[in-house]
Amino acid sequence: GEEVAQTPKHLVRGEGQKAKLYCAPIKGHSYVFWYQQVLKNEFKFLISFQNENVFDETGMPKERFSAKCLPNSPCSLEIQATKLEDSAVYFCASSQKKGAYTEAFFGQGTRLTVV
Amino acid sequence: DAKTTQPTSMDCAEGRAANLPCNHSTISGNEYVYWYRQIHSQGPQYIIHGLKNNETNEMASLIITEDRKSSTLILPHATLRDTAVYYCIVHTNAGKSTFGDGTTLTVKP
Repeated sequence: GEEVAQTPKHLVRGEGQKAKLYCAPIKGHSYVFWYQQVLKNEFKFLISFQNENVFDETGMPKERFSAKCLPNSPCSLEIQATKLEDSAVYFCASSQKKGAYTEAFFGQGTRLTVV
Repeated sequence: DAKTTQPTSMDCAEGRAANLPCNHSTISGNEYVYWYRQIHSQGPQYIIHGLKNNETNEMASLIITEDRKSSTLILPHATLRDTAVYYCIVHTNAGKSTFGDGTTLTVKP
C-alpha cells in the first residue's frame, strides 16, 4: 500500500491484559520503526526492523514488550500484562532505507488505554 | 544522535512566512537535519531534510548555517492548516529518529 496502516485505531485493555498492535508498512519499504508517544510532544523510540530482522532494539523495555516483522504479515508490537503507564499512542513508521538518507512515513497511530 | 533545541511555541499570521529555528550545536559531520510536523494527534509528517546545503521543496525551505550548528525551517505562506507541532531532528544513518519537544506553531487569521 501507499501508506502505513496501523490497526486498531483504539485499544482499551484492563491492567494485566495483553495488547497487540499491528502495522503494515508501505510496500517496498525495508525498515520499520515503532515509537511510543506518552505525553504530547514526547516521542520515545522503541525498536526498528530491517525486513524481518531486529535492527535496533535499544528503546524496548526488556520485560513485557516484544515485536516481530514476519514475511507476508503485518508487523506487530505486543505488550504482555499491560500497566497503566503503557497508555500512549504507538506510532509505526517505515522507510526505504535506514536513517539519514530518506524520510520515514508514519502511520496514524494506535491509541492504547490501560484502565 | 545530536540533541536539538527549539522554542516551545510560536505564532504566525496567515499568509506570512513562518520561520522556525532549531539549534543543534553538537551535530557531527555525517548527521542530517530532518523536519517533521504533527497535526493534532496524527502521525508525524515528513517535511524536508538536508546535510549542509539549503534545500527547498513544495512544502518548505530549509536553511542550514555554514557551521551547521543551527537551521531554520521556512513555511513561505503559512495557512491555518499549517498549525501543528514542528520537530527538528538530527540523526545519522543509524535508523532511529530522536524527537525533541518540538515547536507548537499557531497560525492565526
